[in-house]
Amino acid sequence: DAGITQSPRYKITETGRQVTLMCHQTWSHSYMFWYRQDLGHGLRLIYYSAAADITDKGEVPDGYVVSRSKTENFPLTLESATRSQTSVYFCASNAGGPENIQYFGAGTRLSVL
Amino acid sequence: QKEVEQDPGPLSVPEGAIVSLNCTYSNSAFQYFMWYRQYSRKGPELLMYTYSSGNKEDGRFTAQVDKSSKYISLFIRDSQPSDSATYLCAMSAGSGNTPLVFGKGTRLSVIA
Repeated sequence: DAGITQSPRYKITETGRQVTLMCHQTWSHSYMFWYRQDLGHGLRLIYYSAAADITDKGEVPDGYVVSRSKTENFPLTLESATRSQTSVYFCASNAGGPENIQYFGAGTRLSVL
Repeated sequence: QKEVEQDPGPLSVPEGAIVSLNCTYSNSAFQYFMWYRQYSRKGPELLMYTYSSGNKEDGRFTAQVDKSSKYISLFIRDSQPSDSATYLCAMSAGSGNTPLVFGKGTRLSVIA
């Protein structure tokens, strides 16, 4: 299916465990983004990437690691999950045109117990 | 002061009402303005896009940007229960990978 897909859709883990959230897009968009969405905070940017092997920190990068070895994939890893990382995570992509329009995946709901 | 301020609501209106949703911002460099709609347990989807100042209309939806006041609005005419969602404003100063700055979203309920 064309578009941007995230997996898993739901994840429960324990504190201290490593968790990887997957993001895959079929549009060959250059730019990809990871956000977290929390009540009272809205969407906050974690990391973004302009191309394969190019990544930059966003507003809330601590505790997260990203990689981008292929244009279509942009996984987000929580190296040692904490309860404060319980959130809904959204991946987005952007073709890089002047409009700067981002297209979002359906999200991953993560609970850290 | 946050870069983008948006009243979180919730806002509840009867079916057929005109809805006005608003955001204010502080960064005068913003020139790309968007409204996203997010249904419960779904990802945000682009609803309206406006570059610089002015109005844009698409069916029942009208987006307005007033850069002199640093104020953007989304109007929904003849609101429907299917419009019940959270509406997020977003804006950026540049294109490409310039990060979008989002408002916190306004939750709207349209009651039949």
